[in-house]
Amino acid sequence: DGGITQSPKYLFRKEGQNVTLSCEQNLNHDAMYWYRQDPGQGLRLIYYSQIVNDFQKGDIAEGYSVSREKKESFPLTVTSAQKNPTAFYLCASSMSPVNYGYTFGSGTRLTVV
Amino acid sequence: AQTVTQSQPEMSVQEAETVTLSCTYDTSENNYYLFWYKQPPSRQMILVIRQEAYKQQNATENRFSVNFQKAAKSFSLKISDSQLGDTAMYFCAPKYGNKLVFGAGTILRVKS
Repeated sequence: DGGITQSPKYLFRKEGQNVTLSCEQNLNHDAMYWYRQDPGQGLRLIYYSQIVNDFQKGDIAEGYSVSREKKESFPLTVTSAQKNPTAFYLCASSMSPVNYGYTFGSGTRLTVV
Repeated sequence: AQTVTQSQPEMSVQEAETVTLSCTYDTSENNYYLFWYKQPPSRQMILVIRQEAYKQQNATENRFSVNFQKAAKSFSLKISDSQLGDTAMYFCAPKYGNKLVFGAGTILRVKS
């Protein structure tokens, strides 16, 4: 079955460490996105990529980095520069243009300890 | 600026009754798409319904329907015969350019 997979489901990070969240899709979608969701809040766009080897900053890119070396993969690195990284992270993918909406992964809960 | 307003942070409805969630947006595009997503306690985002702006007919998916008022830039979601499984956070998401912009969400609680 086609889908989008995020791993791990839960992740703990010590302060000062970088950590990478995985997002893989086998839907043959061109575009991929990373969102951050804080408790009881909406989704805020971190980074997105419309095509391999290209990506754009979203609304809250500071302290995060991404790469898009393969169509199927769009990993997100939360760096030590991100001052408040504890949150729920959602990855999504879509055809381009986005006329049929996004398909979302099941999310990664990141906690700084 | 791309704005999406969901003016009801929280709502409650009795099982089997009907509830309407509101959404307004701002766009200068003429042909676009709008979506409602549902996020239950599992936190999995699920597409509920999709509307094409050039179609005058309101979209319907089983118990879910929309009231799309293009001139007013309003896109409300109606849930009929509410069920306990409808308890979730609901997000309105119009397409701006080539990505979706999400509203702040409405928490819907269905009571037995």
